[in-house]
Amino acid sequence: QKEVEQNSGPLSVPEGAIASLNCTYSDRVSQSFFWYRQYSGKSPELIMSIYSNGDKEDGRFTAQLNKASQYVSLLIRDSQPSDSATYLCAVKTGTASKLTFGTGTRLQVTL
Amino acid sequence: GAGVSQSPSNKVTEKGKDVELRCDPISGHTALYWYRQRLGQGLEFLIYFQGNSAPDKSGLPSDRFSAERTGESVSTLTIQRTQQEDSAVYLCASSFRGDEKLFFGSGTQLSVL
Repeated sequence: QKEVEQNSGPLSVPEGAIASLNCTYSDRVSQSFFWYRQYSGKSPELIMSIYSNGDKEDGRFTAQLNKASQYVSLLIRDSQPSDSATYLCAVKTGTASKLTFGTGTRLQVTL
Repeated sequence: GAGVSQSPSNKVTEKGKDVELRCDPISGHTALYWYRQRLGQGLEFLIYFQGNSAPDKSGLPSDRFSAERTGESVSTLTIQRTQQEDSAVYLCASSFRGDEKLFFGSGTQLSVL
């Protein structure tokens, strides 16, 4: 079982719709969760972090965390073509130093 | 510097040669990571440095790979006797005191012929 799992996609949504990106993780003691966005040919950049159960909103982005289900998601409201990118879920376990990334979900926002 | 700097940006080498990749983190960032990203794949953790602590080398795929860091500054990733499967983008990232917000460099595209 991979430590962090994501569907590779592509996930295609029309402009203006809500995009829902999902991630599961295997280590129950994981404490910190992150979403990075990576445009094609570019390096990843952090867009959201979440540490406790529930929702965290930042503009058009909402991160959701459910530690009991070992599940974290990212919602993008009013999706724009500029949101088309690969979204990487990353998890940090309290006793470990490294940040473990999923393989990413490619999002395509169509006109 | 203003951001994480990596060099070279591109490296083409022949199978069996050694290569050295360089990362210059953001000034004041004590944590430094190396990741590998193969074409169309996610980020594969290689090694982590935090201050003067012993590095976490758990992600290095073989003994051909090694990395060093001088204090809290420049790091070099060395790959000996390169193989074609080493072809990938090697990304370096730094963060402040292990804070989880990583700032990535633009990467080194390594091609082993």
